[in-house]
Amino acid sequence: AQSVTQPDIHITVSEGASLELRCNYSYGATPYLFWYVQSPGQGLQLLLKYFSGDTLVQGIKGFEAEFKRSQSSFNLRKPSVHWSDAAEYFCAVGAGTASKLTFGTGTRLQVTL
Amino acid sequence: EAQVTQNPRYLITVTGKKLTVTCSQNMNHEYMSWYRQDPGLGLRQIYYSMNVEVTDKGDVPEGYKVSRKEKRNFPLILESPSPNQTSLYFCASSLSIGFDIQYFGAGTRLSVL
Repeated sequence: AQSVTQPDIHITVSEGASLELRCNYSYGATPYLFWYVQSPGQGLQLLLKYFSGDTLVQGIKGFEAEFKRSQSSFNLRKPSVHWSDAAEYFCAVGAGTASKLTFGTGTRLQVTL
Repeated sequence: EAQVTQNPRYLITVTGKKLTVTCSQNMNHEYMSWYRQDPGLGLRQIYYSMNVEVTDKGDVPEGYKVSRKEKRNFPLILESPSPNQTSLYFCASSLSIGFDIQYFGAGTRLSVL
């Protein structure tokens, strides 16, 4: 069965600083990988996804993520964080034929001004 | 506007009193799913449906029922709620099975006393 680990529960960065959120997955074959963002009181919004091809994927709101098979990682990055990026971020892996997504436990991002 | 609508957004109930959380999507999506979100556990899938009259268990189906009589609706039923079902619930839909983008509702916060 697939699994996802987000080792950082809470991260604080200053506005304008760079950001990297870590995600490690476990799955025997090539996974389908996603990053979602959840703003307070809201549902989840897809930031980006990796299915195949170029290992560096671009998403919305200036986010990007890089798939590294050798490290089983799919870290999310942003070069300059804005205060509005404060939210909870979830990494998810999909596998198999049943459209089942397995989510990590989330990383809460706090942005200081 | 494309959306997934859940009702109610907030619900407080007592142990054993049957309740239904409704979910409706206006995108003609085939695939719908229910998740529960608990602190430190991320999102866990309860049930999913690949089309009308086709449903299957996710990771944590105990104590829940679903039905898919129409393509647009996927209600979650708690026949006899218990306090351990206090959680934040999300409905999601996607165009097809496989790893298409999932669109999430805004969530239903349920408290079972």
